[in-house]
Amino acid sequence: AQTVTQSQPEMSVQEAETVTLSCTYDTSENNYYLFWYKQPPSRQMILVIRQEAYKQQNATENRFSVNFQKAAKSFSLKISDSQLGDTAMYFCAFMKHNNNDMRFGAGTRLTVKP
Amino acid sequence: GAGVSQSPRYKVAKRGQDVALRCDPISGHVSLFWYQQALGQGPEFLTYFQNEAQLDKSGLPSDRFFAERPEGSVSTLKIQRTQQEDSAVYLCASSLALGQGNEQYFGPGTRLTVT
Repeated sequence: AQTVTQSQPEMSVQEAETVTLSCTYDTSENNYYLFWYKQPPSRQMILVIRQEAYKQQNATENRFSVNFQKAAKSFSLKISDSQLGDTAMYFCAFMKHNNNDMRFGAGTRLTVKP
Repeated sequence: GAGVSQSPRYKVAKRGQDVALRCDPISGHVSLFWYQQALGQGPEFLTYFQNEAQLDKSGLPSDRFFAERPEGSVSTLKIQRTQQEDSAVYLCASSLALGQGNEQYFGPGTRLTVT
């Protein structure tokens, strides 16, 4: 079974600074997908960024980027130039290739302070 | 276009009552997923559908939980004889197709409180 671990229950960052959220996972699979989802206080989850395990290049979406270390089974999210609207729960998630149930970590609550 | 919608947004049930939670996926999305999210936790997978076929129900916690999607669009998650441990937010998500790590689009959830 796949497990996803987020070791930081809460984080805070000053507006305009950079913050990194950690995620590790455990799997015997070689092909899979990793995701970071954001869940603002309104509770609707939205996708932040997606990484395909067979791609060595780290995914980037504007201010959001990942550090994907396949051998270490690590998938951290870096948020640059943090904004107040980034305040939310962030969930790391794993999905096997050709499977569809997504496994989530317990989440990290990020607060961006003005 | 419209996103995934769920109703009701909040539901309070007395222990032992049956409840039905509805999910309207994004039009044209083949796949539909249900998750249970306990307070302070990440979502836990319950079940998923491809069109009307329920392909995996391994996450359903007991036989009191039942999901259906009879016409391949709207889905209902039914919980019979609710227990206090069923209190959680139930999230529905849909995606264009199965496999390939497709993005899942989530609804706002239904918060179920069993008293």
